[in-house]
Amino acid sequence: GQNIDQPTEMTATEGAIVQINCTYQTSGFNGLFWYQQHAGEAPTFLSYNVLDGLEEKGRFSSFLSRSKGYSYLLLKELQMKDSASYLCAVRDGEYGNKLVFGAGTILRVKS
Amino acid sequence: DAGVIQSPRHEVTEMGQEVTLRCKPISGHDYLFWYRQTMMRGLELLIYFNNNVPIDDSGMPEDRFSAKMPNASFSTLKIQPSEPRDSAVYFCASSLSLNQPQHFGDGTRLSIL
Repeated sequence: GQNIDQPTEMTATEGAIVQINCTYQTSGFNGLFWYQQHAGEAPTFLSYNVLDGLEEKGRFSSFLSRSKGYSYLLLKELQMKDSASYLCAVRDGEYGNKLVFGAGTILRVKS
Repeated sequence: DAGVIQSPRHEVTEMGQEVTLRCKPISGHDYLFWYRQTMMRGLELLIYFNNNVPIDDSGMPEDRFSAKMPNASFSTLKIQPSEPRDSAVYFCASSLSLNQPQHFGDGTRLSIL
């Protein structure tokens, strides 16, 4: 089976750095995606990791360790508009390579 | 470029009625996905298509749900008969391949009374 765990909620201050963790258990790991979803809107793609290491894209970075079943999303120079839900999703080759989403982490950025 | 287009944006109907949700994927994308999102269960994959062919429908809750993709630019998700527990946001997404990002439509907010 598959199990994806993320913290339910986090709060951080404008201008700060926040790290959102995701742990997963899957038998046929084949990539991990991070999505951002503002309230009442559709999820939008942030990053994709399939190999170990850090992927940097502007203020956002994502890290993967396949041996530990662990990923994190790092958001730097937080802005109020970063308040949203962040979804970790794992692609599992044992389940036809379809994406399985975690429950999401609601991030609140305060001034 | 147009993204994934879903209609209607909102639907309110009485239980027992048939509901049809529509989706137009991004042109050139070979994969189309239907998801359902609720507070309790999060974002769940219902079914996905590759080149108009259903590949995995294991997420379809029951026989009341059906999905079709008659051509590369159109898909429908139908619920008949609808029940209050079907109330959710239904998203359609498309992608070039399974290891490419999925692009989501704005969703259909469905309320069954």
